[in-house]
Amino acid sequence: AQSVTQPDIHITVSEGASLELRCNYSYGATPYLFWYVQSPGQGLQLLLKYFSGDTLVQGIKGFEAEFKRSQSSFNLRKPSVHWSDAAEYFCAVGDTGNQFYFGTGTSLTVIP
Amino acid sequence: GAVVSQHPSWVICKSGTSVKIECRSLDFQATTMFWYRQFPKQSLMLMATSNEGSKATYEQGVEKDKFLINHASLTLSTLTVTSAHPEDSSFYICSASELGQRIQYFGAGTRLSVL
Repeated sequence: AQSVTQPDIHITVSEGASLELRCNYSYGATPYLFWYVQSPGQGLQLLLKYFSGDTLVQGIKGFEAEFKRSQSSFNLRKPSVHWSDAAEYFCAVGDTGNQFYFGTGTSLTVIP
Repeated sequence: GAVVSQHPSWVICKSGTSVKIECRSLDFQATTMFWYRQFPKQSLMLMATSNEGSKATYEQGVEKDKFLINHASLTLSTLTVTSAHPEDSSFYICSASELGQRIQYFGAGTRLSVL
């Protein structure tokens, strides 16, 4: 069965520090992978996606993610975090029917 | 591009009344729309999937008579919470995808409070 695990419920980083949010998935075929960000009381905004090809994908707001098939991971990274990056981050895997399976989310706090 | 508008953003209603939430794709044809429910500090729970012109497919445990979904056009889907009760209070989010595209674009969500 498809599933997504985000091991870190909450992460706190200092502004300007680097960030890595972990995501592991379970899916029987080639996964379609996504990272979304949600600000409080808002919907989800697509940060980036991986369908195929280059395993390092660039997204909006300076984010990138790397697909590692051997580790079933799709970790999100940012070299220098800004205070405005504080939000909830969701990793998702999409199946061939375009149904998404979301992780439980990682809440990011940025301290000045 | 790929904007999904959801309305209202917040609604308060009395117990026993019905509430309709609209989800519109503004600049693309949404052949498939999804409705999610999100509890505080939790992930999104898929309620149902609707394809334009077809009956919605509900996830297990979701009462289709309580959560009526209509997807009558390629740009509009509605979720009607019938006879709402306090336990229906939640954050409801819709998303939409275009034929052949594997991306879901999300609305801003609707906060429903049932008194």
